[in-house]
Amino acid sequence: DQQVKQNSPSLSVQEGRISILNCDYTNSMFDYFLWYKKYPAEGPTFLISISSIKDKNEDGRFTVFLNKSAKHLSLHIVPSQPGDSAVYFCAASDNNAGNMLTFGGGTRLMVKP
Amino acid sequence: DTAVSQTPKYLVTQMGNDKSIKCEQNLGHDTMYWYKQDSKKFLKIMFSYNNKELIINETVPNRFSPKSPDKAHLNLHINSLELGDSAVYFCASSQGGGPGKAFFGQGTRLTVV
Repeated sequence: DQQVKQNSPSLSVQEGRISILNCDYTNSMFDYFLWYKKYPAEGPTFLISISSIKDKNEDGRFTVFLNKSAKHLSLHIVPSQPGDSAVYFCAASDNNAGNMLTFGGGTRLMVKP
Repeated sequence: DTAVSQTPKYLVTQMGNDKSIKCEQNLGHDTMYWYKQDSKKFLKIMFSYNNKELIINETVPNRFSPKSPDKAHLNLHINSLELGDSAVYFCASSQGGGPGKAFFGQGTRLTVV
């Protein structure tokens, strides 16, 4: 049973526009959320994170929003660049469970020039 | 220097064989992990290990065992390999003591024939 879900397997946006990637979770014990970016034949690389005590975290072009009541988070990329094309994984952890990450299935983002 | 490195990057072997994948991190982290990415691209935790505690995902067959000769290394041993073990295996590390991002290796693609 998937505790973290990314319902859009792929997303295509035009360069310069906003990319919005969504993630839903079911486990209310999750208290930390992360986004990872993955290129083919490479390991996931950390992008941005947010604690459950916050509802927004921003780092340059990347902003993560957390809606705890809806158990939903999203990643906004503005403006999108062709180099952002990759698979994005949402992940969540529970501090009381060893901080192991539970991943969503990923969303493939394609940014067209 | 690569922060988390795995060897080999590719491994092709026959059913029934025993194989190991090595992982080393030079970040000084005290917690290491093994994740498996299956054919459907889902990333799932297999083990979390620090010098105090091994946490095993209950779905992992006991043919899989982590071995840690020291804090910087966590190797994965797999006995009696099966076709279904074919996947990409990722090693990761993080600083324990609270939520935090994990750093991933580049992955080992295991193919069992």
